[in-house]
Amino acid sequence: DAKTTQPPSMDCAEGRAANLPCNHSTISGNEYVYWYRQIHSQGPQYIIHGLKNNETNEMASLIITEDRKSSTLILPHATLRDTAVYYCIVRVPGSSNTGKLIFGQGTTLQVKP
Amino acid sequence: GAGVSQTPSNKVTEKGKYVELRCDPISGHTALYWYRQSLGQGPEFLIYFQGTGAADDSGLPNDRFFAVRPEGSVSTLKIQRTERGDSAVYLCASSPTSGGAIYTQYFGPGTRLTVL
Repeated sequence: DAKTTQPPSMDCAEGRAANLPCNHSTISGNEYVYWYRQIHSQGPQYIIHGLKNNETNEMASLIITEDRKSSTLILPHATLRDTAVYYCIVRVPGSSNTGKLIFGQGTTLQVKP
Repeated sequence: GAGVSQTPSNKVTEKGKYVELRCDPISGHTALYWYRQSLGQGPEFLIYFQGTGAADDSGLPNDRFFAVRPEGSVSTLKIQRTERGDSAVYLCASSPTSGGAIYTQYFGPGTRLTVL
């Protein structure tokens, strides 16, 4: 699985958009970009995933560059409850491999009032 | 619906003892994963089950660690002769292998193991 690079920490004001970047310059054509977050003392929580098109769900939006070498997770109106470690992971989903997630250090997002 | 559950939530044991950690996956999820998370680190993969069989156990650190899933649902992670270095949060995740959320992993709250 391709390696990802994320900034170790970011701050965001409550109510503003939080934009979390991720670099995955060695991503291969069949690898998806997944985002998870982990709130303190809880298990990781799935947020969103995508292959090449931008994706949106009730939690967030995922913007993937045209060359797929980087992506941005957008939380449109951050709240204090969004304070967490955010992990960007690239992997190939499917029965052809184990599908295990390889977590890096992630980005610690601190939402401030 | 019910998510992944793990018991106990906390386990304190003494060095050299045997422990069992239980995971109840989301009903109908055929894939089950165990991860271990040390303080300040991201989760690390331990083992993956597809149904009853361990399809990938490459993450188990040594032969003191073993996991089973005899009926393809509940899984138990077993650690023999525990060492202080085994102290961590043990996370379980499950995923469907069909349907709209295919292969997306959903995590339980974890079991915090402390070896004294």
